[in-house]
Amino acid sequence: DSGVTQTPKHLITATGQRVTLRCSPRSGDLSVYWYQQSLDQGLQFLIQYYNGEERAKGNILERFSAQQFPDLHSELNLSSLELGDSALYFCASSVVGTGVETQYFGPGTRLLVL
Amino acid sequence: AQSVTQLGSHVSVSEGALVLLRCNYSSSVPPYLFWYVQYPNQGLQLLLKYTSAATLVKGINGFEAEFKKSETSFHLTKPSAHMSDAAEYFCAVSHGGSQGNLIFGKGTKLSVKP
Repeated sequence: DSGVTQTPKHLITATGQRVTLRCSPRSGDLSVYWYQQSLDQGLQFLIQYYNGEERAKGNILERFSAQQFPDLHSELNLSSLELGDSALYFCASSVVGTGVETQYFGPGTRLLVL
Repeated sequence: AQSVTQLGSHVSVSEGALVLLRCNYSSSVPPYLFWYVQYPNQGLQLLLKYTSAATLVKGINGFEAEFKKSETSFHLTKPSAHMSDAAEYFCAVSHGGSQGNLIFGKGTKLSVKP
């Protein structure tokens, strides 16, 4: 158990819909990352937050947005969903968000868009 | 730009045999390198990381990796494979700055035959 929790574990929805994925980091970690894992693209970095502020952006679509709240949990919002958005979405956390730190990964949310 | 190449999407070894999973990186700055393991239906777990200290890094479960700057490689080895090592292994690089996101290779699925 990494100490990072993600809800829900599974999500099935239809094209055009909007969903929210939730992540709670390890106790004491200030930085949260979101990654997408799909068969064709592999593991891709989406976005990073540190103590409520956006720190880095990767290959995140404009239809996707995220935020980190004062209690440090984070939400990833996916809207106007397409079939290609079906993937495993991971949240990871680290203490202060520098590249030398270990990132602890949650179990992931598996999203299926029908 | 940084990138990681994992040679071999599938590697199969016999129980007790040497495990060698290959990773080459490209980075314009001194890299920080990581190996993560993913068991079926689980998140990623850190095996080991290189952060510019010793070039031979020992990790969990008997794995180790050697950073070779001249070859831009960070191959993962284990002297004797165990059935429980069957999983997918990901090499990742970070540039170590304040933006701590990881860039992952495409992964190598390790199978262990009895």
